Amino acid sequence: GQQLNQSPQSMFIQEGEDVSMNCTSSSIFNTWLWYKQDPGEGPVLLIALYKAGELTSNGRLTAQFGITRKDSFLNISASIPSDVGIYFCAGRPYYGGSQGNLIFGKGTKLSVKP
Amino acid sequence: GAVVSQHPSRVICKSGTSVKIECRSLDFQATTMFWYRQFPKQSLMLMATSNEGSKATYEQGVEKDKFLINHASLTLSTLTVTSAHPEDSSFYICSARDPRTLGGGELFFGEGSRLTVL
Repeated sequence: GQQLNQSPQSMFIQEGEDVSMNCTSSSIFNTWLWYKQDPGEGPVLLIALYKAGELTSNGRLTAQFGITRKDSFLNISASIPSDVGIYFCAGRPYYGGSQGNLIFGKGTKLSVKP
Repeated sequence: GAVVSQHPSRVICKSGTSVKIECRSLDFQATTMFWYRQFPKQSLMLMATSNEGSKATYEQGVEKDKFLINHASLTLSTLTVTSAHPEDSSFYICSARDPRTLGGGELFFGEGSRLTVL
């Protein structure tokens, strides 16, 4: 089935650093969502994007819906230890309309630099 | 955001027994709920779409007789793993579509249920 390419797969952060991750697709999406999952928990919705070019912030998090509708990025500014976890992008394909199921990226694992 | 609650969070059972996991939308009505399975260090794998008042739609490769889904009300969906075996051990997560949000309803996830089959 259709997949999203999410990168990087993992990264190490030092407190105070900015972090960036992105997702790309070969087809057009009409919704992009970013989730964070802590170990042993369900994903928590961070940011939802609905329009091409849309830039939305949630505290230190900023995400954008790419102009081409085929990509999205998530930035975390001034990272703190509690930012560690797995971040998933998810998109709803345009062909599915508003009821189309979400497709998930494989996740970006954020860890603290040793 | 919307609240979705899943129970139990952890369950250990013997091989051959059945286990039921509940998923509830606490502050909204969900006509559609989704059940995912997640293997260690992997992304979420959609198992089935649960539709209130009708049969669930299963993804390819998911045994519907093995994973029984019931969505009898607008706030409750259940997943029953029948005749569980060790290979069914996994992290199961439900989600519900909140129709009050933009885009036709965004997904909010439950806390997940860790199933261990001995």
